[in-house]
Amino acid sequence: DAGVIQSPRHEVTEMGQEVTLRCKPISGHNSLFWYRQTMMRGLELLIYFNNNVPIDDSGMPEDRFSAKMPNASFSTLKIQPSEPRDSAVYFCASSLGAGALIEAFFGQGTRLTVV
Amino acid sequence: AQSVAQPEDQVNVAEGNPLTVKCTYSVSGNPYLFWYVQYPNRGLQFLLKYITGDNLVKGSYGFEAEFNKSQTSFHLKKPSALVSDSALYFCAVRDTGRRALTFGSGTRLQVQP
Repeated sequence: DAGVIQSPRHEVTEMGQEVTLRCKPISGHNSLFWYRQTMMRGLELLIYFNNNVPIDDSGMPEDRFSAKMPNASFSTLKIQPSEPRDSAVYFCASSLGAGALIEAFFGQGTRLTVV
Repeated sequence: AQSVAQPEDQVNVAEGNPLTVKCTYSVSGNPYLFWYVQYPNRGLQFLLKYITGDNLVKGSYGFEAEFNKSQTSFHLKKPSALVSDSALYFCAVRDTGRRALTFGSGTRLQVQP
């Protein structure tokens, strides 16, 4: 299996532009998570989906952030408009099942720089 | 609410010596505990997990972790460190009521040759 695939790996954009991050979970996994990693705040959960349905989006910073999962094999995280403070590494992770004992598998991340 | 604390920002150890990376947790229900490792410019890789049963859990790359319920700790250990173990280590917890992992702040392990 190719693992969780994220694109792009790196994104540099100007403040005010729209940014879309993409994720393909591991085939057969039905839970998907978006995390953000910064030096100041560490790893923060933004949102997670179970069976393509958003379950908890309490970590989404503000209305500029939105996430979708139109099918079991694809998810997007969109920032519109982007701001310099959104600069971070964004990770997508997936897991098989929703049980507490199930480990999540992470993609390699998208490093976003907003200038 | 669930939380994880990793009290050390960095741990330095000489190659061949044993290593310990500390983690304490707080959950309202039964704890499900995980360790992940992150190498530079890479995503997090799963190392091991504690669900229930044996308090000593063995994982990948020779790592193990000791669960201590009375101390609410889940320390990561390895009997003999390698330079290639140098990386960022994250402890994470998930309780039965929440499906997403909550991560600690991370501990940077530096193994000197």
